[in-house]
Amino acid sequence: NAGVTQTPKFQVLKTGQSMTLQCAQDMNHNSMYWYRQDPGMGLRLIYYSASEGTTDKGEVPNGYNVSRLNKREFSLRLESAAPSQTSVYFCASSEFSPWASGIGDTQYFGPGTRLTVL
Amino acid sequence: GQQLNQSPQSMFIQEGEDVSMNCTSSSIFNTWLWYKQEPGEGPVLLIALYKAGELTSNGRLTAQFGITRKDSFLNISASIPSDVGIYFCAGQGGGSNYKLTFGKGTLLTVNP
Repeated sequence: NAGVTQTPKFQVLKTGQSMTLQCAQDMNHNSMYWYRQDPGMGLRLIYYSASEGTTDKGEVPNGYNVSRLNKREFSLRLESAAPSQTSVYFCASSEFSPWASGIGDTQYFGPGTRLTVL
Repeated sequence: GQQLNQSPQSMFIQEGEDVSMNCTSSSIFNTWLWYKQEPGEGPVLLIALYKAGELTSNGRLTAQFGITRKDSFLNISASIPSDVGIYFCAGQGGGSNYKLTFGKGTLLTVNP
């Protein structure tokens, strides 16, 4: 049981390049999330997916797209990277569903992707 | 949106001391979570609280869900050097406010 896995662990891009960050979970969780973490800013939600085929914008969605490929996988795409997107990106998952009561949003995080955009 | 105030921002303590940190919210939460993040790693869940007044322990860690549902605290007893890291609280509201809100973290340094 690997929990939440993310690839790659590190990435350096030039301004304007594109890339996709991959995330997978093996806990059969309903919800998956992408966050970015910057010094002094804490964790900020980029996008969220409550189930396969549904996605929702978070606090800082501009410049990103996501795809919930199936229940296990949730990818984050940067179409044209900018230096402001230099950050550490975390994927998380939880059993929570906004359509089911009684289950708290206890999120489990992956190890992160450290992205530098030059 | 909902806001969480986490304090203190940082703590520098001696090994063996007890530590206390807390989070307060501008609105009511249904769930409180406490995470620890070590350098270069993702946040790891320490304790989850689901009921007002709930007091839960995990080894030397104890956390409580405040009666008002607007606050939570985390205590670490007899700190050791491996307790070093950033501790985050997170809260989940009800209804349309179901997305987790995170505190900005407490950086804990333990001097051996």
